[in-house]
Amino acid sequence: GAGVSQSPSNKVTEKGKDVELRCDPISGHTALYWYRQRLGQGLEFLIYFQGNSAPDKSGLPSDRFSAERTGESVSTLTIQRTQQEDSAVYLCASSFKTALNYGYTFGSGTRLTVV
Amino acid sequence: AQSVAQPEDQVKVAEGNPLTVKCTYSVSGNPYLFWYVQYPNRGLQFLLKYITGDNLVKGSYGFEAEFNKSQTSFHLKKPSALVSDSALYFCAVSSTTGANNLFFGTGTRLTVIP
Repeated sequence: GAGVSQSPSNKVTEKGKDVELRCDPISGHTALYWYRQRLGQGLEFLIYFQGNSAPDKSGLPSDRFSAERTGESVSTLTIQRTQQEDSAVYLCASSFKTALNYGYTFGSGTRLTVV
Repeated sequence: AQSVAQPEDQVKVAEGNPLTVKCTYSVSGNPYLFWYVQYPNRGLQFLLKYITGDNLVKGSYGFEAEFNKSQTSFHLKKPSALVSDSALYFCAVSSTTGANNLFFGTGTRLTVIP
C-alpha cells in the first residue's frame, strides 16, 4: 500500500483480556518497528524486525508482550492479560533496509485503552 | 547508551517569527540524528536527518537543523513560522555502533500564534 496501515485505530479492552494489534508495512520495506507512546511521553522502542532475521526484542516491557512477523509482511503485536499501564498509542513503522539511512514511515497508530 | 533530550515541552512563537526547537543527544559512536513531526490525528512524519557531511541539514516544509558536535545538539529551526507548523516535534538518535532502532525524545509541542 501507499503507507503503513495499522488496525484497529482504537481499542478499548477490559483489564486481563488479550489484545492483538496489526501492522501492514509499506510493500518492499524489509524493516518493521513497534513503538509505544504513553500520554505525555516520548516513543518507547518495543521490537524490531529485519527481513527473516531474528527480531530484536530488547524493548518489550514484559513477557505479556509478543510480536510476530512472517517474512516482510504483516506484523501483529499481542498483549496478554492487559493492565491499565498498557494504555498507550502503539505505533508501527517500516523502513527500506534500515532506518539509519532511509528513516521510518509511521502508521497512524492504535490507541489502546485498558479499563 | 543512547538518549535524547528535548528540554522544552512547549514552544510558542508568533507567526512570521523564527522558531527553534531544541534537542541534545548522547550516543557512543557517531550519531545519526532525525527530526519527526506529528500533526494532530496523524502519524509521525519524517522531516530531516543528519548522517554525515554538512552540519546544516535542510528538510521538508522549510525546516532545517544544525548538527553541533561539540555541544551534542541538533536544534530544529525555521526562519519564518507558519500557523500550520503547529504540531508535536520529536528528535531521534541512533549511532554507528548502536542498534538499528531510533531513540526518541519526549517531544516538543510547537504552537504558532497568528
